[in-house]
Amino acid sequence: DTEVTQTPKHLVMGMTNKKSLKCEQHMGHRAMYWYKQKAKKPPELMFVYSYEKLSINESVPSRFSPECPNSSLLNLHLHALQPEDSALYLCASSQDPSTVITGETQYFGPGTRLLVL
Amino acid sequence: AQTVTQSQPEMSVQEAETVTLSCTYDTSESDYYLFWYKQPPSRQMILVIRQEAYKQQNATENRFSVNFQKAAKSFSLKISDSQLGDAAMYFCACNNAGNMLTFGGGTRLMVKP
Repeated sequence: DTEVTQTPKHLVMGMTNKKSLKCEQHMGHRAMYWYKQKAKKPPELMFVYSYEKLSINESVPSRFSPECPNSSLLNLHLHALQPEDSALYLCASSQDPSTVITGETQYFGPGTRLLVL
Repeated sequence: AQTVTQSQPEMSVQEAETVTLSCTYDTSESDYYLFWYKQPPSRQMILVIRQEAYKQQNATENRFSVNFQKAAKSFSLKISDSQLGDAAMYFCACNNAGNMLTFGGGTRLMVKP
């Protein structure tokens, strides 16, 4: 089973709202990722969690706050977003986040389409 | 720094025909992997095929195969017997130590019935 699930599928929020995106995988993967994808563009990496610890933050604004409560769950908390943050947010996971071992395939969820009004 | 380039923003193919999507990359790593992902209108990124750079043999997955030219840093995807369900955005990607993926700009494939 190579399934990564994401909820909700769609989200509309105002600039003063607080919302959260959720990602879940039950493949025993120890690395999880958040990507942002604008229309007709490739995904852009936001955060990487390795063994439930934040290992990479690609200079993402603080209005995006990731959280990894356990090895299967990854959340992205949203607060005071801007209209330009409207995008598809993709979660992915891979088996081994070791910096020595490369080539671990990342498996993606279906994404959350976010619209900020 | 790695770069991945897909020079064809759009391609079209007749159903049942063969199409090749181009990808070139640049990396200073000696150990790396290459991927093709498919993203249909449903949005989910689906792994199509994966190639280990240390392997000379080209990867194949059913109707999908790659032409990996390591010296030329080229990694093209061939889709045989194209089907309507193959219509999607295709992203070429390279990863390295730390499993960071670098994506190309994507190629939109249209399949004509």
